[in-house]
Amino acid sequence: AQTVTQSQPEMSVQEAETVTLSCTYDTSESNYYLFWYKQPPSRQMILVIRQEAYKQQNATENRFSVNFQKAAKSFSLKISDSQLGDTAMYFCAWSNTGKLIFGQGTTLQVKP
Amino acid sequence: DSGVTQTPKHLITATGQRVTLRCSPRSGDLSVYWYQQSLDQGLQFLIQYYNGEERAKGNILERFSAQQFPDLHSELNLSSLELGDSALYFCASSAAGTGAFEEQFFGPGTRLTVL
Repeated sequence: AQTVTQSQPEMSVQEAETVTLSCTYDTSESNYYLFWYKQPPSRQMILVIRQEAYKQQNATENRFSVNFQKAAKSFSLKISDSQLGDTAMYFCAWSNTGKLIFGQGTTLQVKP
Repeated sequence: DSGVTQTPKHLITATGQRVTLRCSPRSGDLSVYWYQQSLDQGLQFLIQYYNGEERAKGNILERFSAQQFPDLHSELNLSSLELGDSALYFCASSAAGTGAFEEQFFGPGTRLTVL
């Protein structure tokens, strides 16, 4: 069975600084997708970024980028120029058929 | 606003009762997913429907059931409720549900409290 592990329950960063959230996963599948979702205090789930496993190039969305290491089964999220609005819980997720398998989440606090 | 609606927003009920959670997907989306978010279990996939038919099943208890209607809205029925069923229940929808690459759009969730 596939598993997703986020080993950092909580992190904090100063506004305008850069922070990296870690995620590892375990799968025997060769083709799959990885996602980072953001859940702010409103509880709404928002897709931040996604990566297709067959693409070697790391995905980037504005201030958000990933470091995808397929052999190491690692998928970290880098947030540059952190903003107060980035304060949220972040979930790493895996999928190959549609259903999402989530990690436990990392609570990120951006401090002014 | 994701375009996915869920009702009710909050639900408080007693152990042993039965409740129905409702989800309306984005216009044109054929696939609906249900997820449960609890302190104990984290975020878990429960079940997926595609165009009225069950497509995938996850960690859904036998006391729980779901269906998707011809107008594509979906209902999640929870019966014989226990304290541990207290959670935030999300519905998500995607266009076709035939590939993992599709973005799933999440509703605002239904907060269920079982007393």
